[in-house]
Amino acid sequence: GAVVSQHPSRVICKSGTSVKIECRSLDFQATTMFWYRQFPKQSLMLMATSNEGSKATYEQGVEKDKFLINHASLTLSTLTVTSAHPEDSSFYICSASPSTNEKLFFGSGTQLSVL
Amino acid sequence: DAKTTQPTSMDCAEGRAANLPCNHSTISGNEYVYWYRQIHSQGPQYIIHGLKNNETNEMASLIITEDRKSSTLILPHATLRDTAVYYCIVRVGGGNTGNQFYFGTGTSLTVIP
Repeated sequence: GAVVSQHPSRVICKSGTSVKIECRSLDFQATTMFWYRQFPKQSLMLMATSNEGSKATYEQGVEKDKFLINHASLTLSTLTVTSAHPEDSSFYICSASPSTNEKLFFGSGTQLSVL
Repeated sequence: DAKTTQPTSMDCAEGRAANLPCNHSTISGNEYVYWYRQIHSQGPQYIIHGLKNNETNEMASLIITEDRKSSTLILPHATLRDTAVYYCIVRVGGGNTGNQFYFGTGTSLTVIP
């Protein structure tokens, strides 16, 4: 099946700093990628839809200035958590599919810990 | 997209079939049923999906009722590695649907030795 690579797998940062997470589709092109957040013992929550060459679409309640998304190519989307605070500590997961009618493939996730 | 309802947790003896139910009583005619699972601290893994016919692959079988208001995921011979949270998702397929997958609470399956 298609492969989605996410990096880094784990990051620890100080409060107030920014952190960038990369999501790559390795063997297919993706005009759309998706970013999820998951808190311990909770389900995945869709944060935003990343669109290649245009602005991301954010779900209700997600701060677009806090979570900057860039989808500069058909194989790469990045999520930047700006001015991170301890409450931003979470598991972040990206996903993509080769076409709109295909199943989603997920990255392995990034565990962000903000001290 | 339609909402799904799943039991919070289930146990299954190793080697036995695990039957995980999902209720999607408000499903529309063009919505597919997808199943994913998530092992702790990993990204979700695709299992199977279907529209109205029963489906089978190397991982599992998907049984969809004739009225499509519910479905059952069957793991024929559960192993300890099948312990995970299983998510049932319905979404519209085809066209410019945006392809969003919204996850519900899922079922935490524990396979017991």
